[in-house]
Amino acid sequence: DVKVTQSSRYLVKRTGEKVFLECVQDMDHENMFWYRQDPGLGLRLIYFSYDVKMKEKGDIPEGYSVSREKKERFSLILESASTNQTSMYLCASSYWGLAGGPGELFFGEGSRLTVL
Amino acid sequence: SQELEQSPQSLIVQEGKNLTINCTSSKTLYGLYWYKQKYGEGLIFLMMLQKGGEEKSHEKITAKLDEKKQQSSLHITASQPSHAGIYLCGADMEYGNKLVFGAGTILRVKS
Repeated sequence: DVKVTQSSRYLVKRTGEKVFLECVQDMDHENMFWYRQDPGLGLRLIYFSYDVKMKEKGDIPEGYSVSREKKERFSLILESASTNQTSMYLCASSYWGLAGGPGELFFGEGSRLTVL
Repeated sequence: SQELEQSPQSLIVQEGKNLTINCTSSKTLYGLYWYKQKYGEGLIFLMMLQKGGEEKSHEKITAKLDEKKQQSSLHITASQPSHAGIYLCGADMEYGNKLVFGAGTILRVKS
């Protein structure tokens, strides 16, 4: 069974702390994505990666960084957490689609981060 | 994303009733994806549409992409409590490798 695993389902951190969110996929997918989900706003893309050590900014990269040292692992880093980063974070992975697009995305269960 | 408008924002239906959710864009959609999400969980893939006029069905859920490839609808026939959740459309709007998502439609089914 294909799987995208996010390291933590729930985290509570304090303002200014450094936060690591880890994501691992076992499907040998080229593409990996980090989204955040907020009520009324849907999913917004933070960063994505289409290959090891490659990364591209999404729509809301400010305050975040990412790391992809191995194909199966994509980490999201909040250098100095702030209260407006309280959100649900979703990791996803995909092959390249037939038309050159991302193809079907497989999502992890999500990590709910609360910053106090 | 405002590039993809979903309607309605929320919906409450009586069990057994039919319902439709819409997803609209001002740009051509190269691929349109429907996902379902249970509260607090990840997204589950439902269907993908790529060709203008395409229609796909899975159990009691049917999705269509219009000829212009700018609007998609998701139709549920004879709704059941198991259909409750958040439905999101995602689209590939350019020849690239990221999906843009709509804000989602919250569906509640009353028994």
